[in-house]
Amino acid sequence: KQEVTQIPAALSVPEGENLVLNCSFTDSAIYNLQWFRQDPGKGLTSLLLIQSSQREQTSGRLNASLDKSSGRSTLYIAASQPGDSATYLCAVRAGGGNKLTFGTGTQLKVEL
Amino acid sequence: DAGITQSPRHKVTETGTPVTLRCHQTENHRYMYWYRQDPGHGLRLIHYSYGVKDTDKGEVSDGYSVSRSKTEDFLLTLESATSSQTSVYFCAITPGTTGNTIYFGEGSWLTVV
Repeated sequence: KQEVTQIPAALSVPEGENLVLNCSFTDSAIYNLQWFRQDPGKGLTSLLLIQSSQREQTSGRLNASLDKSSGRSTLYIAASQPGDSATYLCAVRAGGGNKLTFGTGTQLKVEL
Repeated sequence: DAGITQSPRHKVTETGTPVTLRCHQTENHRYMYWYRQDPGHGLRLIHYSYGVKDTDKGEVSDGYSVSRSKTEDFLLTLESATSSQTSVYFCAITPGTTGNTIYFGEGSWLTVV
């Protein structure tokens, strides 16, 4: 059974700092991995999707990497801003269909 | 916006009553999902559908049923609500191929008292 872990559960950083969020998964036979952002009381917004054949994806100040063999992904946020404060979740799509397995998320707070 | 509407957005109901949550999409996507989100558990799949009248169970399907009579609508029913079903419920959609992004609705907050 696929298990997805995100450490730390919570993170507080000063504005302007570069930071890395971690995601690990137990079964490396995945189709893709997706990073999401969730604001309080809201649904999930997709940030980046990395296919199993890719090593990384970039969107603006965000860069996500994927190392299938080690079962790890990182989300790098450059020059963090208070507006980046949210919970960040990763999810993997493994073999046998379209179902995703989610991590429990990292709650990020960027302080002025 | 991904064209997903969930209703109701908030509901308080009593133990033992039936509850139906509705997910409506305007994207004509093949796959639709119902997840629940609880502290410490993340998002867990309840049921999903891969076409009209085609549904299957997820990892936490006990106590829930679903129906999909039209491409655009996916209904989640709690036959007899229990306090353990107090949660936030999210509908999601994806076109169908494994390489596609999944899109989520805004959520339905359900409290069973």
